[in-house]
Amino acid sequence: GDSVTQMEGPVTLSEEAFLTINCTYTATGYPSLFWYVQYPGEGLQLLLKATKADDKGSNKGFEATYRKETTSFHLEKGSVQVSDSAVYFCALSDNNLFFGTGTRLTVIP
Amino acid sequence: DSGVTQTPKHLITATGQRVTLRCSPRSGDLSVYWYQQSLDQGLQFLIHYYNGEERAKGNILERFSAQQFPDLHSELNLSSLELGDSALYFCASGTGDRGRETQYFGPGTRLLVL
Repeated sequence: GDSVTQMEGPVTLSEEAFLTINCTYTATGYPSLFWYVQYPGEGLQLLLKATKADDKGSNKGFEATYRKETTSFHLEKGSVQVSDSAVYFCALSDNNLFFGTGTRLTVIP
Repeated sequence: DSGVTQTPKHLITATGQRVTLRCSPRSGDLSVYWYQQSLDQGLQFLIHYYNGEERAKGNILERFSAQQFPDLHSELNLSSLELGDSALYFCASGTGDRGRETQYFGPGTRLLVL
């Protein structure tokens, strides 16, 4: 069945550091891929998405590229800020949305 | 603000009881999805409704049920509650009838079963 494997956290970085959160997926079809972010005490917000191979999703300095050959959708940001501290979820959608376990990111000043 | 509303925000109840969680989708969205987020199980898809009809079921217990009304709001009913049902329950809405489109999440209902 469809599934998402996501880098386990927690991840702690200093402000302005480079961020990578790994995500790989297993799917029988051609899913859409998403990154959602959950700030403390809030619901999930869509961060970015890609709907087909080689698409790059980007938002707020974050980006991820849909790599069919490696079944990956790694999240990157060149310079993190304290305000990026949150839990990040990778997800795939074929008929339904399947989430990874989430990666907690803490950015320290 | 995603435009999806959920009530109540918090709910505390006892084992064996029954509760109803309510979700109003974004204006124009026909799909409502329910999810459970717990520490040990992560974020799990429960059920999907599109324009009043059930479209897909995930890991939803038989003690749980849901429905979507003509005005498109949805309710998730949890009965014979157990301690392990304590979790955050999210609903999300979307425009399409398949899960591929972007889903917009509400703020969640935090359920505590004592």
